[in-house]
Amino acid sequence: GDSVTQMEGPVTLSEEAFLTINCTYTATGYPSLFWYVQYPGEGLQLLLKATKADDKGSNKGFEATYRKETTSFHLEKGSVQVSDSAVYFCALSDLAGGATNKLIFGTGTLLAVQP
Amino acid sequence: EAGVAQSPRYKIIEKRQSVAFWCNPISGHATLYWYQQILGQGPKLLIQFQNNGVVDDSQLPKDRFSAERLKGVDSTLKIQPAKLEDSAVYLCASSPGGGTGYTFGSGTRLTVV
Repeated sequence: GDSVTQMEGPVTLSEEAFLTINCTYTATGYPSLFWYVQYPGEGLQLLLKATKADDKGSNKGFEATYRKETTSFHLEKGSVQVSDSAVYFCALSDLAGGATNKLIFGTGTLLAVQP
Repeated sequence: EAGVAQSPRYKIIEKRQSVAFWCNPISGHATLYWYQQILGQGPKLLIQFQNNGVVDDSQLPKDRFSAERLKGVDSTLKIQPAKLEDSAVYLCASSPGGGTGYTFGSGTRLTVV
């Protein structure tokens, strides 16, 4: 079945460092890909998304490019801030073949940014 | 626009007791989802409703979990009897449909002791 694999955390960075969180997926159809963020004590928030190959999603300085050839959707940010500390989830949704539009999540990566 | 409302925020029960969670989705959202998020894992879909009909409940442990969505609006998720492994955050989400516009609630954190 469809699945998402993302790098294990925690990822600890200093403020203004470059961030990469790796995400790869397995899907039988043509999924849409998402990054969600969960701040402490809060619900999941959509960070960015891409719906087809070579699309780039971006928001709040974060970017991710849908790479069909490598089945990847890595999250990047050029300069992280303390306020970016959160858990980041990669997810896919596959509507092909009559599947429901449920989200399939990775295990999450905890990012801790130190001042 | 009001978000997805869930209650209670926290619940602690003993094993073999029963518990119920409530969700009020965003007005007009036809699709409602319940996800289970165990500590250290990503959320996993338990059940999906389209209006008041069940679309997918393949991952719902039906011997102990039940859910309903009366009149296609609010939904309740019940566990009876609870087990220790049911300790998790239960997330409700809603969307207009078509795979877009998911909005998650803040969740209910259940601890079974």
